[in-house]
This record gives sequence, C-alpha cells and structure tokens, in this order.
Amino acid sequence: DTEVTQTPKHLVMGMTNKKSLKCEQHMGHRAMYWYKQKAKKPPELMFVYSYEKLSINESVPSRFSPECPNSSLLNLHLHALQPEDSALYLCASSQAEGSKQTQYFGPGTRLLVL
Amino acid sequence: EDQVTQSPEALRLQEGESSSLNCSYTVSGLRGLFWYRQDPGKGPEFLFTLYSAGEEKEKERLKATLTKKESFLHITAPKPEDSATYLCAVRVSSNTGKLIFGQGTTLQVKP
Repeated sequence: DTEVTQTPKHLVMGMTNKKSLKCEQHMGHRAMYWYKQKAKKPPELMFVYSYEKLSINESVPSRFSPECPNSSLLNLHLHALQPEDSALYLCASSQAEGSKQTQYFGPGTRLLVL
Repeated sequence: EDQVTQSPEALRLQEGESSSLNCSYTVSGLRGLFWYRQDPGKGPEFLFTLYSAGEEKEKERLKATLTKKESFLHITAPKPEDSATYLCAVRVSSNTGKLIFGQGTTLQVKP
C-alpha cells in the first residue's frame, strides 16, 4: 500500500483567514514533503521533514507554516495568504530522505485564495 | 546548474501509435531518475525509478530506459487511458530528498 491521504480536497479562503492542510501516511515513512503546483507547471518543493524535524525550507514565505506532529502526520498552516498562493498543494512521503527513496504523492488540496 | 528538460511539451498520438518521451538532464551527480504520471487535478502517480545507465524498467505498455545524459519513456500501442502528463524528476544529492522536475510532457491519445 502506497497511499498518502490529504484533506481537504478543496479549500477556498479569504486573505485574512487561517486554515490548515493535513496529510497522513501509514507506510512507516520517515520523510514527508510539501509541494506547491501551479497550473501546467511541475511541483515545486516547499518543505521537507525528516524524522519529524524540518530538513529543508525552500525559502517559503512565513505565511506558510509547516508542522509534523508525529511520523504519520504533516500539516501546513496557512495565514494571510495572497491570491497568487492559489495552487494545488501536494504532500509526499518516502521511506527516508536519502538516495534510492521513492516519493509517493497524495491527491493534493486545491486551494483558492480570494 | 542542475537542469532537467523534457520533450516534447505535448504529444498527440492515435491509439496504437507507439512513441517515446525524452528527459535529458545535466546534473552534478545523479542519485536517481524518477518517472511520474499525473492526471489533471490529481497528484503524481509513481511509475519508475532508474539509478544506473543501461537500466530499464517495464510496466504494461510503458518502458523506461536510462543513459548517462537522458532517459526515455517508451509507450507501446498506447490507449486513450494513457493520456496524462508525464513528469521526469532527478535527485542529485544522496543526503536530501530534493527532486528537480522537468516541465512535463502532456500526452493525448485519440481513439
């Protein structure tokens, strides 16, 4: 089983709202990732967590705040977003962060910021 | 600078018309090349991982190959359900999980 789940599937929020995206995997993977994908573009890496610790932050604005409460869960807290932040947000996981580790993606959350 | 380029950007095939998608890369050190399939509005679906030049992997109508400079995704006798965007990604570091993606090839197979 290589399933990564994400909730919600769709989210509409105003620029003053606070919301959270959730990601879950039960494959025993110890690395989890957040990506942002705009229409007709490839995924862009935002954050990497390895063994529940932040490993990579790709200079993402502070209005995006990741959290890894345990090895199965990954959250992305959103606050004061801009319309240009509207995108498909993808979560992925891999057994570990090192080489020869395949990343498995979730279905994504479609975010619209008004 | 590490770079991944996919060609063509878009490809239209008739059902049964075999073809190949290309992924060329210039990287400091390859630590794995990955192929994904992505349907509109969905997350990428893992297809293959290749690590060494000369390696080949097959799955149904798809076959992925790897050389020192590029990878090909061969599609044999495609069906309309093979229509999707195919993404190529490379890992260049053995210590981090960061992937560098190509821009993708959007494949349309007409019946």
